[in-house]
Amino acid sequence: DTAVSQTPKYLVTQMGNDKSIKCEQNLGHDTMYWYKQDSKKFLKIMFSYNNKELIINETVPNRFSPKSPDKAHLNLHINSLELGDSAVYFCASSPGGPVGKLFFGSGTQLSVL
Amino acid sequence: GDSVTQMEGPVTLSEEAFLTINCTYTATGYPSLFWYVQYPGEGLQLLLKATKADDKGSNKGFEATYRKETTSFHLEKGSVQVSDSAVYFCALSRNNFGNEKLTFGTGTRLTIIP
Repeated sequence: DTAVSQTPKYLVTQMGNDKSIKCEQNLGHDTMYWYKQDSKKFLKIMFSYNNKELIINETVPNRFSPKSPDKAHLNLHINSLELGDSAVYFCASSPGGPVGKLFFGSGTQLSVL
Repeated sequence: GDSVTQMEGPVTLSEEAFLTINCTYTATGYPSLFWYVQYPGEGLQLLLKATKADDKGSNKGFEATYRKETTSFHLEKGSVQVSDSAVYFCALSRNNFGNEKLTFGTGTRLTIIP
């Protein structure tokens, strides 16, 4: 069983489209995250949710809207896609607490043409 | 703000060579420090961690010691294998309203040749 699963694995779309990436974790964790990894492998946190509540929002454009229907799911919806949105998006979860460990999904490679 | 600086890659070594990947950090207080590894096509996995000064994290033959005086957490392995080829990320952790927030370095790509 995959602990943190994301779909789709690859997403190719045109500029201006709207797309969603889904994430589910079966670890019973309270906290979930979205990270963006650019072409140079630099990883930056975008959002964090704890028990469906938004905790961290790191200066991400309003076109990005996370949604957490329950604590096992954190989806990412992106409106009006731009070329600069091309990246690998990683979902992660953690049990929380002061020194936890993050469990990452295998990533969604988004290519905006 | 918090930041992590890693040595630039890529790093290419022969099998059984000694590995060092440098990592230094900037942070106030006492962050926790981590090394994560990303194998091709996969998400990141925690490799090792240290939560306070002078702690040594170790796993799969890799080691790193939390040095507060030099603000460093260098990754070392005595004898690398082809299967160690991956991208390695140094990271530090802060609590933010009770949640983990990892700040990553830029990653170092390691290639081991037989």
